[in-house]
Amino acid sequence: SQKIEQNSEALNIQEGKTATLTCNYTNYSPAYLQWYRQDPGRGPVFLLLIRENEKEKRKERLKVTFDTTLKQSLFHITASQPADSATYLCALVQSDTGRRALTFGSGTRLQVQP
Amino acid sequence: ETGVTQTPRHLVMGMTNKKSLKCEQHLGHNAMYWYKQSAKKPLELMFVYSLEERVENNSVPSRFSPECPNSSHLFLHLHTLQPEDSALYLCASSQERPGAAMNTGELFFGEGSRLTVL
Repeated sequence: SQKIEQNSEALNIQEGKTATLTCNYTNYSPAYLQWYRQDPGRGPVFLLLIRENEKEKRKERLKVTFDTTLKQSLFHITASQPADSATYLCALVQSDTGRRALTFGSGTRLQVQP
Repeated sequence: ETGVTQTPRHLVMGMTNKKSLKCEQHLGHNAMYWYKQSAKKPLELMFVYSLEERVENNSVPSRFSPECPNSSHLFLHLHTLQPEDSALYLCASSQERPGAAMNTGELFFGEGSRLTVL
């Protein structure tokens, strides 16, 4: 069956360190993978998109990698700040089924300690 | 008004009530979505509208009835819900490329409507 797996346990790190979150998928051939941030009681906010033919994408302190062999995407936040504390969701679009919308993982909660 | 606006933000209803959730997008997008988010579970896609036509219905019970009168507005009509339907209902919009087989654009979400069914 198709699965998108993110670590359900919260990730706790110290301010200034690099946070690394993992998204693994099974039985998908995604054309794109996206990362979103969600704060409690709010809607998700888009952060980054990476295509299947891209290895890495950066935006300010954020970096996303995409390994279609490992079927994994890693999301990094460098020089993390308490304001980065939130739940981070990965999402993908299957490339060959005609599905038109994103399928989401359950998210990983990041807590950055000051 | 900017972005995607959802009303009401909070709704409490009994199982015999009829209510509606409203979503409005001010981004000029041509696709709109309803997602359901329950505690500890991934966002579940419910409905997709592209150019006001329903293009995807993800096996949602008939007690949920969507309506998309134009590209800026989306409704979710609720009728005889169950307590397990209590969740955060999120509306989103995106800009689809004409003729594309799948949507690859980013989603812009509203703040959600927190529904509690008693």
